[in-house]
Amino acid sequence: DTEVTQTPKHLVMGMTNKKSLKCEQHMGHRAMYWYKQKAKKPPELMFVYSYEKLSINESVPSRFSPECPNSSLLNLHLHALQPEDSALYLCASSPVVGYQETQYFGPGTRLLVL
Amino acid sequence: GQQLNQSPQSMFIQEGEDVSMNCTSSSIFNTWLWYKQDPGEGPVLLIALYKAGELTSNGRLTAQFGITRKDSFLNISASIPSDVGIYFCAGFLNAGNNRKLIWGLGTSLAVNP
Repeated sequence: DTEVTQTPKHLVMGMTNKKSLKCEQHMGHRAMYWYKQKAKKPPELMFVYSYEKLSINESVPSRFSPECPNSSLLNLHLHALQPEDSALYLCASSPVVGYQETQYFGPGTRLLVL
Repeated sequence: GQQLNQSPQSMFIQEGEDVSMNCTSSSIFNTWLWYKQDPGEGPVLLIALYKAGELTSNGRLTAQFGITRKDSFLNISASIPSDVGIYFCAGFLNAGNNRKLIWGLGTSLAVNP
């Protein structure tokens, strides 16, 4: 089973709202990732968690706040977003971080900020 | 950021034709991954390559890790309409404490039934 699940599938929010994106994997992977993807572009890395600790933050604005409650779950808390933050947000997992480790992606959350 | 050179950017082919796309870099990679992405969905892993010269098949798909470790290709044989989508190559650089996937810009494939 190489499934990563994400909820919600779609999300519309105003610039003053607070919302959260959720990701779950049951493959026993110890690395989890958040990516942002704009249309017809490759995914852009946002955050990496390794063994439930934040190991990479790609200079992401503080209006995005990641959280890893346990080894299977990854959240992305959203607050005071801007319209340019509208994108497909992808979660991925891999057995461990980096070197030759294949990343498996979830279906994504399509976010629209009004 | 660093990116892979992926070509062609787009392809429009007839059903039944074979397809070939490739990624190149001036740097050495130790892993090549090929993903397919449908509109509004996440990338789906097609093939993973870990050794120079490795040739791996997955059904009608075949991919190779170049001997120089600076390139990889993906072939699709006898294309069908459901092959439509964007194909991305991605890889890990063989340098330092590397923990980031480097991505190509994608090849958009359209298949005429």
